[in-house]
Amino acid sequence: GQNIDQPTEMTATEGAIVQINCTYQTSGFNGLFWYQQHAGEAPTFLSYNVLDGLEEKGRFSSFLSRSKGYSYLLLKELQMKDSASYLCAVILNTNAGKSTFGDGTTLTVKP
Amino acid sequence: DTGVSQNPRHKITKRGQNVTFRCDPISEHNRLYWYRQTLGQGPEFLTYFQNEAQLEKSRLLSDRFSAERPKGSFSTLEIQRTEQGDSAMYLCASRRGGSYEQYFGPGTRLTVT
Repeated sequence: GQNIDQPTEMTATEGAIVQINCTYQTSGFNGLFWYQQHAGEAPTFLSYNVLDGLEEKGRFSSFLSRSKGYSYLLLKELQMKDSASYLCAVILNTNAGKSTFGDGTTLTVKP
Repeated sequence: DTGVSQNPRHKITKRGQNVTFRCDPISEHNRLYWYRQTLGQGPEFLTYFQNEAQLEKSRLLSDRFSAERPKGSFSTLEIQRTEQGDSAMYLCASRRGGSYEQYFGPGTRLTVT
């Protein structure tokens, strides 16, 4: 089966840095996505990692270690609007290129 | 708006009734997915289309669920004889070939009473 683990909840302060971890055990791997999802809304794409290392995009960075089955999302200079659920998703090695998702980490940013 | 659209946005139905949802993907995207999401969980894969062909379907999907994409553009998801356990957000996503990035629609929230 597919297993993706991420913390259920995290809290951080406005202006700070937060790291959200994701570990996975899947049958096949074609890359890893991070999505942001505000309550009641659809997930929106944040980042995609297929090779080991760090990908930086503005205030958001994502890291991947395929040998360890591990990724993290780093959010810098936190803003109140960053309060949301962050979903880690692994693209399986199937023709569909379908994704299997973790249950998400609910991040609360406090003033 | 050139994003993925879904209709209706909300649907309340009584147990035992049939419901149908529609998804219009981004026009140049030939790959289309349906997911189901319940509170506190990530999206769960239901089915996948490449053009008009349904190439993959979750084993979790009962016979009460059927999806079509007749002309390789919009797609419909039908649930027959709805049950309270079907209450969830139904998400549609699309992508183009050569890219793994999926673009999600706003979802249809189904409540079965």
